[in-house]
Amino acid sequence: GENVEQHPSTLSVQEGDSAVIKCTYSDSASNYFPWYKQELGKGPQLIIDIRSNVGEKKDQRIAVTLNKTAKHFSLHITETQPEDSAVYFCAAIGHTGTASKLTFGTGTRLQVTL
Amino acid sequence: GAVVSQHPSRVICKSGTSVKIECRSLDFQATTMFWYRQFPKQSLMLMATSNEGSKATYEQGVEKDKFLINHASLTLSTLTVTSAHPEDSSFYICSAKVGRGPNQPQHFGDGTRLSIL
Repeated sequence: GENVEQHPSTLSVQEGDSAVIKCTYSDSASNYFPWYKQELGKGPQLIIDIRSNVGEKKDQRIAVTLNKTAKHFSLHITETQPEDSAVYFCAAIGHTGTASKLTFGTGTRLQVTL
Repeated sequence: GAVVSQHPSRVICKSGTSVKIECRSLDFQATTMFWYRQFPKQSLMLMATSNEGSKATYEQGVEKDKFLINHASLTLSTLTVTSAHPEDSSFYICSAKVGRGPNQPQHFGDGTRLSIL
């Protein structure tokens, strides 16, 4: 099955700086990669996703890049703000037969300090 | 759009009680919903995949008689934790997939924190 690794586990940046979170996946057949933000006591919120037919996608301060050859994808947050502080999860769709299941990374706790 | 509502948000009950958690897609129809469990400071662990009108598919190691899933309509799936014990205490989260394709977004509810005394 699919295996997703995520680094770093914790990340502290100053307000206004950029934050980068990296993930690798194992199943070369995976072709959908969402990113989720989870605030304390809440469910994960989809913030951006990318499909394997593109290499980069941007939405305001958030961007995601995908390198299919190397099987890794990254989340970039620019001009970070205190409200960006949360746990971020990358995920990949792994295919097992006809099932399509999200496999999550282990999460990155982002702390944006003033 | 793509709002998923989960109720209740918090349950505290005695050991041996059965607890039902509801997951609703409010503004879209969800052929497939998923149930996850999350331990403190850990990632989400898929418990089962729920398809409307058919039996749920459980992940390895998840007891189907313990965690009963019903997906009777395109907007509602329920998870019942039967005869709950302290070790069942956890954060349970549902998600619903938009559309029928394999690579469609999943949107999550805000979770249910279950505490068994």
